[in-house]
Amino acid sequence: ETGVTQSPTHLIKTRGQQVTLRCSSQSGHNTVSWYQQALGQGPQFIFQYYREEENGRGNFPPRFSGLQFPNYSSELNVNALELDDSALYLCASSSPGPNANTGELFFGEGSRLTVL
Amino acid sequence: KQEVTQIPAALSVPEGENLVLNCSFTDSAIYNLQWFRQDPGKGLTSLLLIQSSQREQTSGRLNASLDKSSGRSTLYIAASQPGDSATYLCAVRRASGSARQLTFGSGTQLTVLP
Repeated sequence: ETGVTQSPTHLIKTRGQQVTLRCSSQSGHNTVSWYQQALGQGPQFIFQYYREEENGRGNFPPRFSGLQFPNYSSELNVNALELDDSALYLCASSSPGPNANTGELFFGEGSRLTVL
Repeated sequence: KQEVTQIPAALSVPEGENLVLNCSFTDSAIYNLQWFRQDPGKGLTSLLLIQSSQREQTSGRLNASLDKSSGRSTLYIAASQPGDSATYLCAVRRASGSARQLTFGSGTQLTVLP
């Protein structure tokens, strides 16, 4: 069983640019969520996708958007990058199967975004 | 709005000590609580998951307890080792809504000295 994988691992952008981060969920997991973790802080919930639709969103502006594909992989897109967007972006997936009610989330290694 | 607090922010102990990390949350209407480990610059590794109806969970040298009514959880690490050095995060999932949204604390940075 493969785990959650994210790409790229590191990237550098300049203010005003756009970025796309990618996530492949753990095998059999159809729910994917994204988190932003600033240095020294706990992760903050951005949004969640289930069956290709957004079904939950945290306190993030519309320039943070996402997609989920039929194979359950997902993308996080951020437009008009700001300096404060510099952070570790984490993707998490969870299972719909017999243990769905446990609600356990499994995280990837993250994508480190630096905005200059 | 759910708020999660972890105390202490940092902890340094000699190898072999037993230790307790604390987590408190303001809204007791939770679905579950999850403890994670994070190594520097890395993702989160799930350690223990406690459902709201449970009191504790154990895995190896780790034991996590949950007192939902008082809004508290503890992570007990027995016989600490230098390899346990990492940041430990607790997170709660709210009881309502379909989104599996977690609210995290800021973590406790643990250093185990050889």
